[in-house]
Amino acid sequence: KNQVEQSPQSLIILEGKNCTLQCNYTVSPFSNLRWYKQDTGRGPVSLTIMTFSENTKSNGRYTATLDADTKQSSLHITASQLSDSASYICVVSSGGYNKLIFGAGTRLAVHP
Amino acid sequence: EPEVTQTPSHQVTQMGQEVILRCVPISNHLYFYWYRQILGQKVEFLVSFYNNEISEKSEIFDDQFSVERPDGSNFTLKIRSTKLEDSAMYFCASSEMSGHSSSYEQYFGPGTRLTVT
Repeated sequence: KNQVEQSPQSLIILEGKNCTLQCNYTVSPFSNLRWYKQDTGRGPVSLTIMTFSENTKSNGRYTATLDADTKQSSLHITASQLSDSASYICVVSSGGYNKLIFGAGTRLAVHP
Repeated sequence: EPEVTQTPSHQVTQMGQEVILRCVPISNHLYFYWYRQILGQKVEFLVSFYNNEISEKSEIFDDQFSVERPDGSNFTLKIRSTKLEDSAMYFCASSEMSGHSSSYEQYFGPGTRLTVT
């Protein structure tokens, strides 16, 4: 069964600190892996997309890594800001039409 | 910057009624999707649509659901006879292309919150 698991479920950090979120997946066929940011009551917004041949990709203070052999990914957030408070969702795309399989997300709270 | 729009933002309906959720994808996009998110749960894929036909659907997308692109701009999701368990946030998404490339981004709308009473 296709699954995307994320940890931790929730995380609280202080403004300015770094954090790393984890994702493990079992999805076949695999097309690409995405990290999305979702604010409460809003649609997901893409942060990064990586194919199996890409090991790392950055988008500003966000850096995602992918190990296609172990089927693991991480999202590292540097110098966190209050506006980073949101759910961060690992999403694996499967098949030619890019059906997205979502993880449950990590709810991040950045405190001043 | 172009964006996906959805209407209404919130829809309240009685069990057994039909609802139509509307989406306007980004204008040059060719692939369209519906997802739903039950409160507190994961986002779930419902259906993908390309070239005026369904390209893939999940087991959630049963005979009660249908999608349509009635004109050149709108993309709709119809639920024929709503059930209490259909209460969720429904997201529309669109992409320019599809495939394995990392450039095939899906852009999501703000969602329609459907409440079935």
